[in-house]
Amino acid sequence: QLQLQESGPGLVKPSETLSLTCTVSGGSISNSRYFWGWIRQPPGKGLEWIGHIFYSGSPHYNPSLKSRVTMSVDTSKNQFSLRLTSVTAADTAVYHCARSDMVRGRCLDIWGQGTGVTVSS
Amino acid sequence: QSVLTQPPSVSGAPGQRVIISCTGTSSNLGAGYDVHWYQQLPGTAPKLLIFGNKNRPSGVPDRFSGFKSGTSASLAITGLQAEDEGDYHCQSYDSSLNVFFGGGTKLTVL
Repeated sequence: QLQLQESGPGLVKPSETLSLTCTVSGGSISNSRYFWGWIRQPPGKGLEWIGHIFYSGSPHYNPSLKSRVTMSVDTSKNQFSLRLTSVTAADTAVYHCARSDMVRGRCLDIWGQGTGVTVSS
Repeated sequence: QSVLTQPPSVSGAPGQRVIISCTGTSSNLGAGYDVHWYQQLPGTAPKLLIFGNKNRPSGVPDRFSGFKSGTSASLAITGLQAEDEGDYHCQSYDSSLNVFFGGGTKLTVL
């Protein structure tokens, strides 16, 4: 059973860079059927797609966040990562990584449990 | 404001049927792109409930069903149970393959 696990600091200072990693276990990230994505959920609010990336690269970002987001993949570690620069309090959220299945209409079929990130000085 | 519009809340008594709507535009649902539904129980991550408008992943009870027509989609839950209480999110995408979610609907089982 494939599983995803987010990791990273829970507290980031305003104007600094948020960095998170998602570790894929129970399967390979190098599968042409899937994209690997990040989704966040601010407290009490809905889900917001941040972006996704293929195992060989080719990231695709939410246009509203594109100027601050970078995603990367490390196939040797079976991990993918998120960097979000110049964070503000509005970036406080639970951040989930998820797998997107291209065969089933790009649905997000497996999710990590999420990691809470607070932006505060 | 979300690209996909959902009612903020719905409620029903145990055993009843509830429907959650998801309204899009000609750029997403109306353009033929699939809608997917996720269930998020309190304190947990979202879980795929319906994919490709109407298909259930293995393990999802047939009490849950999806429907899509034009710019609208809906999720029906029959035989409502207390453990169904939580948030439900619809999701689709556009021609640029940007992913969108609805604002989420909180289901309360009375």
